[in-house]
Amino acid sequence: AQSVTQLGSHVSVSEGALVLLRCNYSSSVPPYLFWYVQYPNQGLQLLLKYTSAATLVKGINGFEAEFKKSETSFHLTKPSAHMSDAAEYFCAVSEGKTSYDKVIFGPGTSLSVIP
Amino acid sequence: DVKVTQSSRYLVKRTGEKVFLECVQDMDHENMFWYRQDPGLGLRLIYFSYDVKMKEKGDIPEGYSVSREKKERFSLILESASTNQTSMYLCASSLSPGTGDIYGYTFGSGTRLTVV
Repeated sequence: AQSVTQLGSHVSVSEGALVLLRCNYSSSVPPYLFWYVQYPNQGLQLLLKYTSAATLVKGINGFEAEFKKSETSFHLTKPSAHMSDAAEYFCAVSEGKTSYDKVIFGPGTSLSVIP
Repeated sequence: DVKVTQSSRYLVKRTGEKVFLECVQDMDHENMFWYRQDPGLGLRLIYFSYDVKMKEKGDIPEGYSVSREKKERFSLILESASTNQTSMYLCASSLSPGTGDIYGYTFGSGTRLTVV
């Protein structure tokens, strides 16, 4: 069965510092992987996705993530944090095309950016 | 711009009431989903539908039902609201079977339900 873990329910970084949000998954088949962002009082927005093409995936707002099969990881990074990056981030996994789409979400990591 | 619209941002209901949460999408998506979001638990799938009048139970369907009479509308029903159903409810949609895991989901803004 698929599952997703996110190390650290809360991460704080200084403005301008590197952002690293960790995601590990388990899947019996090559997975599709996603990062979503949720700003306060809003729904989730897709940041980026891995669908078996390039292992380094670039998303919106300067974020990128690298798929590492050997580590079963899909960590999210951004070189320089901005105040507007403060939000909740969710990693998600899907096991590919099925008769319906079922995506498993991780518990989320809340990112705070300190001025 | 494509949209998933949830009819209410905030709702307060009394224990035992029947509650309807409405979700409408304008993207002609076939798949629609209802999740609840609770701190520390992430998103948990309640029900989903991959076609009109079709529904499938998710991971936590107890105490909920759904209705999909039209392609664009997916309603979540709390038959008899209880305080443990106080939560943020998120509706999502994806294009068609086998595409949501490629293109991802489109989410609504959520409905924060408080049951007192």
